[in-house]
Amino acid sequence: DIQMTQSPSSVSASVGDRVIISCRASQSISSWIAWYQQKPGKAPKLLIYAASSLQSGVPSRFSGSGFGTDFTLTISSLQPEDFATYYCQQSNSFPITFGQGTRLEIK
Amino acid sequence: EVQLVQSGAEVKKPGESLKISCKGSAYIFGSNWIGWVRQTPGKDLECMGVIYPGDSDTRYSPSFQGQVIISADKSTNTAYLQWRSLQASDHAMYYCVSLLSPEARVDNWGQGTLVTVSS
Repeated sequence: DIQMTQSPSSVSASVGDRVIISCRASQSISSWIAWYQQKPGKAPKLLIYAASSLQSGVPSRFSGSGFGTDFTLTISSLQPEDFATYYCQQSNSFPITFGQGTRLEIK
Repeated sequence: EVQLVQSGAEVKKPGESLKISCKGSAYIFGSNWIGWVRQTPGKDLECMGVIYPGDSDTRYSPSFQGQVIISADKSTNTAYLQWRSLQASDHAMYYCVSLLSPEARVDNWGQGTLVTVSS
């Protein structure tokens, strides 16, 4: 299985801040990575797919980049509703695997 | 709006059997793979396996092979996740998901079924 390692595991930030979350794959996955947001008591929600494609309805302050093994999710200007846990997922091979999550907390 | 609707929360004892369900639309079940993702109390997400309801082609993640049974009934657009003998370590939230292929991104998530296993 491909291992996905996220960093940091948690981050504290303020409304208006720019936040970057990283994800590293244990082998090359080309651009086959997706990012999800999960709020307490809810299922994850797709934000970004194919490394940089924004899912319909997702605000443009979310963006993704990377290729091969190193990827980032950037939130350009944090809004109150963005405080949640974020997961990366490789969509290169079965079984799909997820990072361990990054919890974004209010400073 | 695409919906996957899962069965309700379950409380079971170790050694008991369980089958949980996920019902979707004919469109989803006719053109997508349906998978099950486990979220542990520590919040890790793990793909257990996927099934293509059209022909019941089923793939299991190596970690879950032999531990669970995934099935689907295309006539009712329902997928199932089954345990013959639950263990305490099966205590988790289980999500039904839809994907375009076994290795794709997850396009849709059910609301989750919480399985509690406790003596």
